[in-house]
Amino acid sequence: GENVEQHPSTLSVQEGDSAVIKCTYSDSASNYFPWYKQELGKGPQLIIDIRSNVGEKKDQRIAVTLNKTAKHFSLHITETQPEDSAVYFCAASKKPGYKLSFGAGTTVTVRA
Amino acid sequence: SQTIHQWPATLVQPVGSPLSLECTVEGTSNPNLYWYRQAAGRGLQLLFYSVGIGQISSEVPQNLSASRPQDRQFILSSKKLLLSDSGFYLCAGQDGFSTDTQYFGPGTRLTVL
Repeated sequence: GENVEQHPSTLSVQEGDSAVIKCTYSDSASNYFPWYKQELGKGPQLIIDIRSNVGEKKDQRIAVTLNKTAKHFSLHITETQPEDSAVYFCAASKKPGYKLSFGAGTTVTVRA
Repeated sequence: SQTIHQWPATLVQPVGSPLSLECTVEGTSNPNLYWYRQAAGRGLQLLFYSVGIGQISSEVPQNLSASRPQDRQFILSSKKLLLSDSGFYLCAGQDGFSTDTQYFGPGTRLTVL
């Protein structure tokens, strides 16, 4: 089955700096890559996703890049703010309606 | 987009007692539904998924079971809870074969004492 690895497991950044989280996947058939943000005590929320026919996608301060050849994708958060502090999960899926394989998560702390 | 409801929000149960957690979905029909467990500070472990009424797939052998009595209702159960069943239980829904996106509910915090 699909194996998704996520790095780093923890990330501490100064407010205003950028944060980057990287994930690799094993199944070359995977074609959908969402990112979720989970605040303490809450369910994960989808923040951005990308499909394999696109190399990069942006939504305000958040961007995701995908390298299909290398089988890795990354989340970039610019101008970090204290409210960006949370656990972030990457995931991969190989077809619509199929289950997601999740990374282990990255705990991001933004220092004021 | 769909909305996932879960209850109760928190639950404290003694070892050996039964369990029933409920998940309902609004805003879509015939969704794929998922139960995940998250141990403290850990990632998401897929427990069960369902592509339709009465259709349940189990990902890991354990003390839990799932049922889907209605299209938009998914229930997680146990006959006798173990200490190791403690965790944060999340239900997620997906619009079936037309989309990849999964939406999560708010979760149930289960503590087994």
